[in-house]
Amino acid sequence: AQSVTQLDSHVSVSEGTPVLLRCNYSSSYSPSLFWYVQHPNKGLQLLLKYTSAATLVKGINGFEAEFKKSETSFHLTKPSAHMSDAAEYFCVVSGDNAGGTSYGKLTFGQGTILTVHP
Amino acid sequence: NAGVMQNPRHLVRRRGQEARLRCSPVKGHSHVYWYRQLPEEGLKFMVYLQKENIIDESGMPKERFSAEFPKEGPSILRIQQVVRGDSAAYFCASSPQVSYNEQFFGPGTRLTVL
Repeated sequence: AQSVTQLDSHVSVSEGTPVLLRCNYSSSYSPSLFWYVQHPNKGLQLLLKYTSAATLVKGINGFEAEFKKSETSFHLTKPSAHMSDAAEYFCVVSGDNAGGTSYGKLTFGQGTILTVHP
Repeated sequence: NAGVMQNPRHLVRRRGQEARLRCSPVKGHSHVYWYRQLPEEGLKFMVYLQKENIIDESGMPKERFSAEFPKEGPSILRIQQVVRGDSAAYFCASSPQVSYNEQFFGPGTRLTVL
């Protein structure tokens, strides 16, 4: 079984300051990890994904995340927040089944609402 | 280059009525997934379908909910005899193959049950 824990339900930053959204995961197998962003009343947009290649993953809009197996973490960061970053962010895990064949079930964290102050 | 299409975007039903939610995947994608987002919660997996087959329905409520992805046409999520607790946003996603992992999400259908 796999699970995702987003450690903060709300994060508030000032424009121009760094962003850190924390995520820990649990998976029995080699996981694929994603960060999605959801703006109000909109669908989900993929920010970045980790699929066992480089542990530091760069995504869109200046976001990046580092996969740390020893800490089972996949925290999302951005050096400088912009007002347009205000949204809800979801950390997501997709794991392999026992046979080693990927299947599509995604497990979502509870979400972190990012607020950016001017 | 259309993405995942869902309609309607908003649906209002009275208790006891039926709700039909439609999802057209990205062209060429043969795998469809449905997720439900209850207020103040993350998305929860409901069902995974390929053309004409249900692969994993472990997240579907046992009663009143059904899903299909016919050979032709969109995938349909059907909720019979809706109750207030069914009010949620329902998201559809698609992928070209299961091993691709990344899923492309539609804008969602927001169901309100009065």
